[in-house]
Amino acid sequence: GAVVSQHPSWVICKSGTSVKIECRSLDFQATTMFWYRQFPKQSLMLMATSNEGSKATYEQGVEKDKFLINHASLTLSTLTVTSAHPEDSSFYICSAGGTSGRQFFGPGTRLTVL
Amino acid sequence: AQKVTQAQTEISVVEKEDVTLDCVYETRDTTYYLFWYKQPPSGELVFLIRRNSFDEQNEISGRYSWNFQKSTSSFNFTITASQVVDSAVYFCALSEGAQKLVFGQGTRLTINP
Repeated sequence: GAVVSQHPSWVICKSGTSVKIECRSLDFQATTMFWYRQFPKQSLMLMATSNEGSKATYEQGVEKDKFLINHASLTLSTLTVTSAHPEDSSFYICSAGGTSGRQFFGPGTRLTVL
Repeated sequence: AQKVTQAQTEISVVEKEDVTLDCVYETRDTTYYLFWYKQPPSGELVFLIRRNSFDEQNEISGRYSWNFQKSTSSFNFTITASQVVDSAVYFCALSEGAQKLVFGQGTRLTINP
């Protein structure tokens, strides 16, 4: 199956700093990528849909100015958490859509904001 | 609106027992996909199965089997002869063409030796 990577796999930062998470599709081109957030012992919630070459579509309740998404190429989407606070601590997972209609998930990034 | 309900929050069984994880979904579309994913402690989602709305055939893969019933909007997952390595959180999910996935709340399965 297709491979999606995320970097970093975990990050610890101080409150008020910004953190960038990369999501790459390694062996296929993805016009659409998705960003999910998962709090401890909870389900995955879609944050936004990232489209190559256009603006991301954010789900209701997700602050687009806080969670900046850039999908500059067919293999890379980035999520930047700006001015991170402890409540942003979570597990962030990206996925890339293949032509088969199936999504391929990255391994996730665990963010801890102190 | 789409919705996926996994009523069982946690299940604990003894190894070698069979266990069924329930999934009920809601959608207005006639074309949709249903999925099951496994999430071990590492956090990475492991794809188990995808089923489209037009294919109601049950599927068996080794110790895993899935029962899709459109009449009751259910897509249940059974593990036969469970093993400790099956311990994980299992998610049922639904998508409607746009590939956007809606996940159920997840069922934490613990297999005790």
